[in-house]
This record gives sequence, structure tokens and C-alpha cells, in this order.
Amino acid sequence: ETGVTQSPTHLIKTRGQQVTLRCSSQSGHNTVSWYQQALGQGPQFIFQYYREEENGRGNFPPRFSGLQFPNYSSELNVNALELDDSALYLCASSLAGHNEQFFGPGTRLTVL
Amino acid sequence: GIQVEQSPPDLILQEGANSTLRCNFSDSVNNLQWFHQNPWGQLINLFYIPSGTKQNGRLSATTVATERYSLLYISSSQTTDSGVYFCGGRSQGNLIFGKGTKLSVKP
Repeated sequence: ETGVTQSPTHLIKTRGQQVTLRCSSQSGHNTVSWYQQALGQGPQFIFQYYREEENGRGNFPPRFSGLQFPNYSSELNVNALELDDSALYLCASSLAGHNEQFFGPGTRLTVL
Repeated sequence: GIQVEQSPPDLILQEGANSTLRCNFSDSVNNLQWFHQNPWGQLINLFYIPSGTKQNGRLSATTVATERYSLLYISSSQTTDSGVYFCGGRSQGNLIFGKGTKLSVKP
């Protein structure tokens, strides 16, 4: 059984740029959720994807967008990067109808 | 509002000691999970525990859903137990996290 994987591990961008983060769900899982974790805080829900559609969204602006592909992998896109977007971005997968989520290793984004 | 609160925020133990971490959650939160965040940032699943008690080695957890709290017990702590422990509860389909308990186990 393959766990959740994310790429890249680290990323440095400058303010105003755009970034794409990638996530492959655990084998058999069809639902992917994205979280942002600022330093010293708990993760905050960004959005969830199921059947290639956004299926719930937290309090994040539209410049945070995503995609899910037929193989259930997902992308998180952030446009017009701001300094406050610097954080650890975590992807979690689950099976629809099951409540337990499993997390990937995260992508650490630094915006200069 | 939707809340998950953890206590204590920080905990320092001597190796071999036992500890209890607490998670209180509001009415709209359920299906608790406990995680250990490793030094590289990955959240490692410890327990999925909507109610009742589970044990896994030196760790155990109890959730009393009717009283809106969950406890994580660590017995005979080891230095490798150090890190941040998070509880997260489901609300409207996704996890709401507490701010974590930072555990430091000294040799």
C-alpha cells in the first residue's frame, strides 16, 4: 500500500509569483484535502476534492485553487503569492464515506 | 463556534514519566483523530477514535463524545516521543485542528 506523497519537498518563491504543489493520494483513496500550516499553528483546511470537483472550502481567497485528476492525484495552485503564504502545505487523502484522513509529508513554501 | 482546544500547550517530561494530553471539542465536531507531527512536518496518525478507548503499545486514547473531550496517554515516555501532538475533529467534512501540545522528553 502506497502512502500519500507530495512534491516538491521545499520551494522558494518571490512575492507575486505563482506556485503549483502536487499530491498523490494513498492507494484506494478517492478524496484529497489540502491544509495550510503556519509556523506554531495547527493546520487549517483549504479545500477538498472528490470526483474531480471541489467539495468544500475553508476561509481562503480565490487565488488558492486546485485540481483533482482521474487517478485521484491533486494539485494546489496559489497565484499572486504573498509573504503570509509562507507555510507548510499538507495534503491528506481519505476514502469517501470514511472519516479517517492520512497525511503526506508536506511541502514547505517560502515566499520572499 | 467550531472549536478544538488542546492542553497543555507545552509539556516537559523526564524520560520514563507518564503524561496525559487533553483535547476539548465543540458540539459540531466529531470523529477525533490524534496525530504526532515529526520534525520534518509530517502528521503521523496515532488514533482514529470517535468514542471509546484504544491502545497501541505505550500510547492509548480515550474519547468521551458525550462530554466533548478526548485524552491521549503516553506511558514510559522516551526521547523519541518528543514533538508536537495534534488532535483534529471532523466538522462539515473536514478536520479542524487544535493548536497542539509540544512535548519535550529529556533523557
